Amino acid sequence: SQQGEEDPQALSIQEGENATMNCSYKTSINNLQWYRQNSGRGLVHLILIRSNEREKHSGRLRVTLDTSKKSSSLLITASRAADTASYFCATDRGSTLGRLYFGRGTQLTVWP
Amino acid sequence: EAGVAQSPRYKIIEKRQSVAFWCNPISGHATLYWYQQILGQGPKLLIQFQNNGVVDDSQLPKDRFSAERLKGVDSTLKIQPAKLEDSAVYLCASSSSGVRRLYNEQFFGPGTRLTVL
Repeated sequence: SQQGEEDPQALSIQEGENATMNCSYKTSINNLQWYRQNSGRGLVHLILIRSNEREKHSGRLRVTLDTSKKSSSLLITASRAADTASYFCATDRGSTLGRLYFGRGTQLTVWP
Repeated sequence: EAGVAQSPRYKIIEKRQSVAFWCNPISGHATLYWYQQILGQGPKLLIQFQNNGVVDDSQLPKDRFSAERLKGVDSTLKIQPAKLEDSAVYLCASSSSGVRRLYNEQFFGPGTRLTVL
């Protein structure tokens, strides 16, 4: 079964707007990761946030983690058409084996 | 550094036929993963290798799927015989983290899109 549940399933915005995607999960975790997948391509790692961290930034990306609510959000600021892709959150469910459990993803479309 | 390589990129077969996928991970990466991604869903782990040993194959349908990682480098995933529901993208990923590392970024290949008719 999918661990993360991304919300919304689809998001459509104009260039320059901010995009916010959410992820909820059900178990304890060591870390939560966000990946991007362009159509027909493999996944690309965006950012990892540890369970003891609350916020992390990388360029135009901002990730928050609320372990009490078992939720995370990914914010993309000043979006560009090139940001059009599917975004997935993944957790380890507290395992130390390194495997990841992915959600169904949010399809983001950024219109020029 | 070179990324994760996979071949073929596309494969179309009829049900009950056999198919094999190949993956070459990033040089030096000890951990290798095979995922199945059905259209509209996130990737689901099929099998995880640490060097040439299996760490987790609990989600691998072993009656029809098999995988090996010879010499702890390249890996092949085989389906025999294929069913219609095996139509999906098969993704290979690798990681430099040891199996007990907690903070594990994975690097993905482009995937093989399998269509079973």
